[in-house]
Amino acid sequence: GEDVEQSLFLSVREGDSSVINCTYTDSSSTYLYWYKQEPGAGLQLLTYIFSNMDMKQDQRLTVLLNKKDKHLSLRIADTQTGDSAIYFCAERSPNTGNQFYFGTGTSLTVIP
Amino acid sequence: DTGVSQDPRHKITKRGQNVTFRCDPISEHNRLYWYRQTLGQGPEFLTYFQNEAQLEKSRLLSDRFSAERPKGSFSTLEIQRTEQGDSAMYLCASSLDGYSSGANVLTFGAGSRLTVL
Repeated sequence: GEDVEQSLFLSVREGDSSVINCTYTDSSSTYLYWYKQEPGAGLQLLTYIFSNMDMKQDQRLTVLLNKKDKHLSLRIADTQTGDSAIYFCAERSPNTGNQFYFGTGTSLTVIP
Repeated sequence: DTGVSQDPRHKITKRGQNVTFRCDPISEHNRLYWYRQTLGQGPEFLTYFQNEAQLEKSRLLSDRFSAERPKGSFSTLEIQRTEQGDSAMYLCASSLDGYSSGANVLTFGAGSRLTVL
């Protein structure tokens, strides 16, 4: 449950959609999360999905979960400059004492 | 409730000195976690408490590190004989326990940034 991988960088133009991807290795993961971190700040929970769901939508955010491929994605519609930040994928699994394990983060840059 | 508070926000110290960080979790949260984050990395788990009991410690937590939560409310993380490799952001997070939906969500503080010269 400790291997959570993300691509390091993503650049998009303001108004376009952003898709941030994450892969994990623990098939027993029960919850998967997306957190946002702005410079010098702690992590802010954006959304999370339970493993029996395929999709969750919350305003501009859409989370897709492919359990077979152990792939999680976060789509941000109509990306704004205020969305520029680092986005962390995290998973929680009973195999690892229900600890939360985080990916290395994807730095999203929104170009005006 | 003002969320999870951490103090100090920044600490610069010389190698070999001891430092202590404090975390005040959300008042009704009985789980408290410490994470370390270095540049370009995600948070790495250090330890967590359920009330005052320290239930798990990562292998990252060397014997120079000690964490306490004496009354099940605030927690302290002390690093003795600091080394340059200890330079990082130390993040505290809290959650409810049990099977409520709140037990599945970590709320983070803003972090305490340590620089060891």
